[in-house]
Amino acid sequence: EVQLVESGGGLVQPGRSLRLSCTASGFTFGDYSMTWVRQAPGKGLQWVGFIRSKAYGGTTEYAASVKGRFTIARDDSQRIAYLQMNSLKTDDTAVYSCTRAGDGYNLAAFDIWGQGTMVTVSS
Amino acid sequence: DIQMTQSPSTLSASVGDRVTITCRASQSIGTWLAWYQQKPGKAPKLLLYKASSLESGVPSRFSGSGSGTEFTLTISSLQPDDFATYYCQQYNSYCTFGQGTKVEIK
Repeated sequence: EVQLVESGGGLVQPGRSLRLSCTASGFTFGDYSMTWVRQAPGKGLQWVGFIRSKAYGGTTEYAASVKGRFTIARDDSQRIAYLQMNSLKTDDTAVYSCTRAGDGYNLAAFDIWGQGTMVTVSS
Repeated sequence: DIQMTQSPSTLSASVGDRVTITCRASQSIGTWLAWYQQKPGKAPKLLLYKASSLESGVPSRFSGSGSGTEFTLTISSLQPDDFATYYCQQYNSYCTFGQGTKVEIK
């Protein structure tokens, strides 16, 4: 079964850091770009960023709202994508989901989604 | 950045109705547009990609059209399982989602 499972969410104080993980199964993880998307409580979907496959250098792109604070990485041997979140703000409170996003240089439609992990930034 | 604007924000409809949701891009995105369905507490589900291509397993009552800056999602005959929130997404230049359209029971 093709599946993505996120972990690592929780309650964190403003200014602190948190690392989320996304573990993949059922497909050749290393062939695909992986993205992170977040959804604040009661709000819409917001793209956070993505990492290309190693075939395209494993390079990353980010939304302006998180650039310089968030970093996406991948470990193809473990089939895991990571979202390192630093200098967290209360506005970063959301459910964070990872998605599969195609096997090319550019993003494709997000055909596989995880269920998400909740991150709450509060003092 | 490309902005995506959906209309309406909320739509009240009955089972069997034909429903249309519109999505406008702030600049041309070709046909690099997808539509998702999301139910409360669940992950979004891909319905259509490249504006009009139906994802495998999605019922044929869902269809999409458009190119450039104007796009539509049509549900030909609304079913009970279709009451949900729908999002458009451009992936021509990274990614932007529309604000969502909630389809509720009339």
